[in-house]
Amino acid sequence: DAEITQSPRHKITETGRQVTLACHQTWNHNNMFWYRQDLGHGLRLIHYSYGVQDTNKGEVSDGYSVSRSNTEDLPLTLESAASSQTSVYFCASSASGGLTEAFFGQGTRLTVV
Amino acid sequence: TQLLEQSPQFLSIQEGENLTVYCNSSSVFSSLQWYRQEPGEGPVLLVTVVTGGEVKKLKRLTFQFGDARKDSSLHITAAQPGDTGLYLCAGGAAGNKLTFGGGTRVLVKP
Repeated sequence: DAEITQSPRHKITETGRQVTLACHQTWNHNNMFWYRQDLGHGLRLIHYSYGVQDTNKGEVSDGYSVSRSNTEDLPLTLESAASSQTSVYFCASSASGGLTEAFFGQGTRLTVV
Repeated sequence: TQLLEQSPQFLSIQEGENLTVYCNSSSVFSSLQWYRQEPGEGPVLLVTVVTGGEVKKLKRLTFQFGDARKDSSLHITAAQPGDTGLYLCAGGAAGNKLTFGGGTRVLVKP
């Protein structure tokens, strides 16, 4: 069965360190998204991609970057982790065109100490 | 930036009672989706509504899209403990980008 997986599920890192969160999907979807979820804010879009070599900034992109070298993967990098980036991160993918369902990974809980 | 506000933020009811969750915006959306999220999991799509005034039913869940496509509601009839979870509305825009509301946490007590 097709799926979308995130790793690691839990990560503790120190302030100032670079951290990369992995997202891998086997749906063969062109669209991939990264969100962060914090209490009271729902899900906020960090970055998204519509295909290989395409990346775009979302509403809360400062301090984050992504790259899309293939269809399956969209890693999210925190350049220099800050305590404000402690959150649960979700990756999602969807098919191109029209109204499509977004499939979410199980999330990565990141703590920056 | 398009914003979606959900109310209430938290709802605790007894099994068998009915509940309604609201999702409101000052912006028009091309579509509105409802997701349910359980602890430790990602959101899972329940329904998509696209036409103003549209009503969709999924067993005991009824979803409505406002005539002006700015608001939506989710009504659960005779709630069961299995309905417990975080309910999220999401407005669809160009490029399949979704704008999420803050979520409504529902607790159904047996």
